[in-house]
Amino acid sequence: QKEVEQDPGPLSVPEGAIVSLNCTYSNSAFQYFMWYRQYSRKGPELLMYTYSSGNKEDGRFTAQVDKSSKYISLFIRDSQPSDSATYLCAPNTGNQFYFGTGTSLTVIP
Amino acid sequence: EAGVAQSPRYKIIEKRQSVAFWCNPISGHATLYWYQQILGQGPKLLIQFQNNGVVDDSQLPKDRFSAERLKGVDSTLKIQPAKLEDSAVYLCASSPTTGGVEKLFFGSGTQLSVL
Repeated sequence: QKEVEQDPGPLSVPEGAIVSLNCTYSNSAFQYFMWYRQYSRKGPELLMYTYSSGNKEDGRFTAQVDKSSKYISLFIRDSQPSDSATYLCAPNTGNQFYFGTGTSLTVIP
Repeated sequence: EAGVAQSPRYKIIEKRQSVAFWCNPISGHATLYWYQQILGQGPKLLIQFQNNGVVDDSQLPKDRFSAERLKGVDSTLKIQPAKLEDSAVYLCASSPTTGGVEKLFFGSGTQLSVL
């Protein structure tokens, strides 16, 4: 079983839509749950992260973790064309990262 | 603050040739990582350095890949000889912390095509 499973998409939505991106994981030792955004021909950049279970909001972005079901979500409200990118979930133990395959998102103006 | 610098941006070689990638991390970052990202996949860790010591190289194909970090700053990753399946983007990342949550800062990567 893979450490992290992520639906690769691609996902295409109209501007202004709410987007839900999801991952599942298998390792109970994961404590930090990060989301990276990767634009085409660029390296990933940290979008936000949560520690343990619960929600964290940052502007239009909300990260959610349910450790009981080992489920990680990223919600994007009022999606914009500039949100078009690949989103990688990266649960980790603090210093050991495991990246999902990434979900490719396109927001259509 | 300058980001993680990598060169070259692109490299095309034939199989069995050798190639080297260079990385300059963000100033003061103790931890440096090399990742391999194959098209359509997430980054896979090849090697992690803390200062100039190796922390984790369990997924580095040591028969063909080698890496070093000079004086705890710059790093080079070498492949010799290259295989077709080495075609990927090689990402360098650095992190400012030595404990707790690590926040990775990535360079733009080197895209390698092996023909």
